[in-house]
Amino acid sequence: DAGVTQSPTHLIKTRGQQVTLRCSPKSGHDTVSWYQQALGQGPQFIFQYYEEEERQRGNFPDRFSGHQFPNYSSELNVNALLLGDSALYLCASSRDRVINSPLHFGNGTRLTVT
Amino acid sequence: AQRVTQPEKLLSVFKGAPVELKCNYSYSGSPELFWYVQYSRQRLQLLLRHISRESIKGFTADLNKGETSFHLKKPFAQEEDSAMYYCAPLTGANSKLTFGKGITLSVRP
Repeated sequence: DAGVTQSPTHLIKTRGQQVTLRCSPKSGHDTVSWYQQALGQGPQFIFQYYEEEERQRGNFPDRFSGHQFPNYSSELNVNALLLGDSALYLCASSRDRVINSPLHFGNGTRLTVT
Repeated sequence: AQRVTQPEKLLSVFKGAPVELKCNYSYSGSPELFWYVQYSRQRLQLLLRHISRESIKGFTADLNKGETSFHLKKPFAQEEDSAMYYCAPLTGANSKLTFGKGITLSVRP
């Protein structure tokens, strides 16, 4: 079991550009959550996808959007990138209908906006 | 407001010393609480959850509802315990974790 996999591992973009990050959940997991971790901070919840729909959302602007596919994999899209979007983006998967199912994290994608 | 507080950023101890990493929470209801750990160059991973009442790698954490705390403890620290530790309450039924800012534990030989 490969666990949660994310791609790419690193990415450099320019202000104003758009970016797409990808995540494949752990085998048997159907729920994907995305987190942003700025340097020196704890991960901040962006949103969660289940059954191909956004189920919960944190305090992030509409520039952040996502998608979940029928195979449970997910994408995070960020439009009109700002310098402040530079961070480590973490994907985490879990199983729905398992109360308080712990999250399994990927290694993250390091996004640098210049 | 619902929040989790890890008041210290860094804890540095010598090998064999006791460790206590503090976590306080402010949530309505009865959230389940987790400790996650991130070792150098590894992914964030679950260390333990309060509902399991387990000891993992010698660490334990007791939920104190009166003090709304969930401190992580280990009686004798090891060098391999050096890592970043995050306290995280899970609220609701949909596995949404809210992380504290984390604390770096450094165990010196």
